[in-house]
Amino acid sequence: DTEVTQTPKHLVMGMTNKKSLKCEQHMGHRAMYWYKQKAKKPPELMFVYSYEKLSINESVPSRFSPECPNSSLLNLHLHALQPEDSALYLCASSQKTSGRASGNIQYFGAGTRLSVL
Amino acid sequence: DAKTTQPNSMESNEEEPVHLPCNHSTISGTDYIHWYRQLPSQGPEYVIHGLTSNVNNRMASLAIAEDRKSSTLILHRATLRDAAVYYCMGLSGGSYIPTFGRGTSLIVHP
Repeated sequence: DTEVTQTPKHLVMGMTNKKSLKCEQHMGHRAMYWYKQKAKKPPELMFVYSYEKLSINESVPSRFSPECPNSSLLNLHLHALQPEDSALYLCASSQKTSGRASGNIQYFGAGTRLSVL
Repeated sequence: DAKTTQPNSMESNEEEPVHLPCNHSTISGTDYIHWYRQLPSQGPEYVIHGLTSNVNNRMASLAIAEDRKSSTLILHRATLRDAAVYYCMGLSGGSYIPTFGRGTSLIVHP
């Protein structure tokens, strides 16, 4: 099973709402990622978790709050978002984050398309 | 930082080979080059990766320049299903920050 499952597929929220995006993988991967992708642009890395600990935060605003409750799950909590945060949010996983020692292939979910009104 | 540059778009006819270039002049000696592709309404999908030698798999071939400052993804016989955005990704040094290139949109004509 090489599947990364993201829910929901679509989400519409107001600027005062609180919502969460969920990501799940059962490949035994110990690294998980959140990316943001605007239309016709490449994915931009937001966060990296390695062994359930946050290892990289690419200067993401605090209105995005990641959480990794266990090695299979990754959440992204959203609060007080702005319309410019509307985008496709992608989750990915890989065996680890050691890019030097191995190829470290990332497996992506289909994403959550978020619209902030 | 392993920055990469790619052409915005390329076109091919079905069943012809396609060569998709990527420049990664700032890559360090131990950083891998990965290629992913993204079909419409889907997440990126792994295609191939390599370090120094040319690589082949069932999807494609990867030719890496001797100085490692560029690479070329080769689709031997393009099909309509290969129409996608192809991203070259560098894995930046010890901090491991995967950085996607801007991507090449491949158009395949029947």
